[in-house]
Amino acid sequence: EAQVTQNPRYLITVTGKKLTVTCSQNMNHEYMSWYRQDPGLGLRQIYYSMNVEVTDKGDVPEGYKVSRKEKRNFPLILESPSPNQTSLYFCASSLSPQGDYEQYFGPGTRLTVT
Amino acid sequence: GQSLEQPSEVTAVEGAIVQINCTYQTSGFYGLSWYQQHDGGAPTFLSYNALDGLEETGRFSSFLSRSDSYGYLLLQELQMKDSASYFCAGPTNYGQNFVFGPGTRLSVLP
Repeated sequence: EAQVTQNPRYLITVTGKKLTVTCSQNMNHEYMSWYRQDPGLGLRQIYYSMNVEVTDKGDVPEGYKVSRKEKRNFPLILESPSPNQTSLYFCASSLSPQGDYEQYFGPGTRLTVT
Repeated sequence: GQSLEQPSEVTAVEGAIVQINCTYQTSGFYGLSWYQQHDGGAPTFLSYNALDGLEETGRFSSFLSRSDSYGYLLLQELQMKDSASYFCAGPTNYGQNFVFGPGTRLSVLP
């Protein structure tokens, strides 16, 4: 079954405690993204990756890091989380950001930073 | 860069037709997509327009006018299960960065 998986699904943590949210896809997609979703703001892209070892900033990259060492995995790292990073996070993948290539989304990770 | 605007809420009754508009400002155009998201779920792809005109997929259609920087999603024969948020979206920044509109929450009433 084609899918994007994320872990954990829910996470409550404290300010400053480093955390990693994992993302994996089994569709051999080149393009992967991380988004955060906040009420009234839609989905905002944090980082994206065009392929292995190729990553770039999206619209809201501050406070986040990513890596793309393998094609299937695209972890999101929060080195020192702060309360303003409390949000719903989605990982997504597609063959390309252009054209009619749909983005497949993971189930989401709800993060609370206290 | 690209920015997209949508109405925040739309309400309609079961069986009706509803249109959700999207206007965009972009330094480069690479097509307009639509996604649906139910409460508690992940966004799912609905449609894509690269050229002007109407694309039909069952009860859903999407329209694009590049000259007007405008598109819309048309939902026909509304069903209760269509209650969800709908997002227009598209790539920018030489087609690499992907941007979503703020979303339109559709409520379908019985």
